[in-house]
Amino acid sequence: NAGVTQTPKFQVLKTGQSMTLQCAQDMNHEYMSWYRQDPGMGLRLIHYSVGAGITDQGEVPNGYNVSRSTTEDFPLRLLSAAPSQTSVYFCASSYSAGPYGYTFGSGTRLTVV
Amino acid sequence: GQQLNQSPQSMFIQEGEDVSMNCTSSSIFNTWLWYKQDPGEGPVLLIALYKAGELTSNGRLTAQFGITRKDSFLNISASIPSDVGIYFCAGPFNNAGNMLTFGGGTRLMVKP
Repeated sequence: NAGVTQTPKFQVLKTGQSMTLQCAQDMNHEYMSWYRQDPGMGLRLIHYSVGAGITDQGEVPNGYNVSRSTTEDFPLRLLSAAPSQTSVYFCASSYSAGPYGYTFGSGTRLTVV
Repeated sequence: GQQLNQSPQSMFIQEGEDVSMNCTSSSIFNTWLWYKQDPGEGPVLLIALYKAGELTSNGRLTAQFGITRKDSFLNISASIPSDVGIYFCAGPFNNAGNMLTFGGGTRLMVKP
């Protein structure tokens, strides 16, 4: 059981480039979300999805797009990377949309130069 | 999201010592969650609290949901080297409960 798989683990982008961070889960979880982690600030919610075809914004959605075409996958797209998006990104999933035990992926460390 | 304030920001303790950390908010929460993050990994849920006054244990870890619903505490007894990591408190900041806000974390270092 792989849980939540994030790829890539590390990425360096130039300002203005675009890329997609991948997230896949094999637990048949309905709820998936993306967080970014910056030093001393905990994790902040970017976007979330309560099921295939349904997405919504979190605390810090600007500069990011998401879609949810299948239950398993929830990619995060950066359309035009900026240095302020340098961070560690975590994908999480849970069985339901309540504040229950989220399973987090191991993260993608992104640097924008 | 609402602000969760964790203290202390970091702790450096001797193996075998007990540890206490807390999390406070200016707003009421109906659920408190405590996560641990090992270096290079995502957070892992340690304890979930759903009721004011609740005291819940998970091995050497004990967490309490404050009576005012504005704070929570996590205690670790007889610390060991593998307790090293960052401990986060978290709680839902919307009515549906599907948007979590996290504290800034307490970094724990244990000296063997």
